[in-house]
Amino acid sequence: DAMVIQNPRYQVTQFGKPVTLSCSQTLNHNVMYWYQQKSSQAPKLLFHYYDKDFNNEADTPDNFQSRRPNTSFCFLDIRSPGLGDAAMYLCATSDSGNSYNEQFFGPGTRLTVL
Amino acid sequence: DQQVKQNSPSLSVQEGRISILNCDYTNSMFDYFLWYKKYPAEGPTFLISISSIKDKNEDGRFTVFLNKSAKHLSLHIVPSQPGDSAVYFCAASDNDYKLSFGAGTTVTVRA
Repeated sequence: DAMVIQNPRYQVTQFGKPVTLSCSQTLNHNVMYWYQQKSSQAPKLLFHYYDKDFNNEADTPDNFQSRRPNTSFCFLDIRSPGLGDAAMYLCATSDSGNSYNEQFFGPGTRLTVL
Repeated sequence: DQQVKQNSPSLSVQEGRISILNCDYTNSMFDYFLWYKKYPAEGPTFLISISSIKDKNEDGRFTVFLNKSAKHLSLHIVPSQPGDSAVYFCAASDNDYKLSFGAGTTVTVRA
């Protein structure tokens, strides 16, 4: 089955220690997204890639970076995690040729910062 | 600035009855609306959508209604089943490849 895969599912890191979350997809979609979701809140878009073009949301902290080495993979790097960065991180993909903008989500990585 | 709002954080309904989930939005440029369903420990999955040129879309037990003048949409689930217990997110798009999400409504279907 075509899908969006996120690894790891659970990540524990220490305050200030860099961490990388990964996302891969077998859907061959050209757009990939990273969202941050905190408890009982709406998923918040951090950034997205349209093909190789990186698009940062205006309010995404500089602490968050992303890499997309190829169509299938996308990484979220948190350079110096703070306690406020503890959240669920969701990766999603979409096909820009689909006018309906349906996004397909991975299961998420829950990040704990100690 | 929250452009999509789901004002009811939770909803409890008896099995077999109708579940009605509400969503309000502020951006008049939104032209496509989606509902996602999320189970614990899983990512959101697409449920049903509606274009702004329509006022109703039906798929089996799920129907979405759109009232553009009121900037309001609702999701009806009839009849509700125990497997419908999940968090439901309303989302909206203005055709720029991005979605704006509401905070979600947790639905509990009681046997």
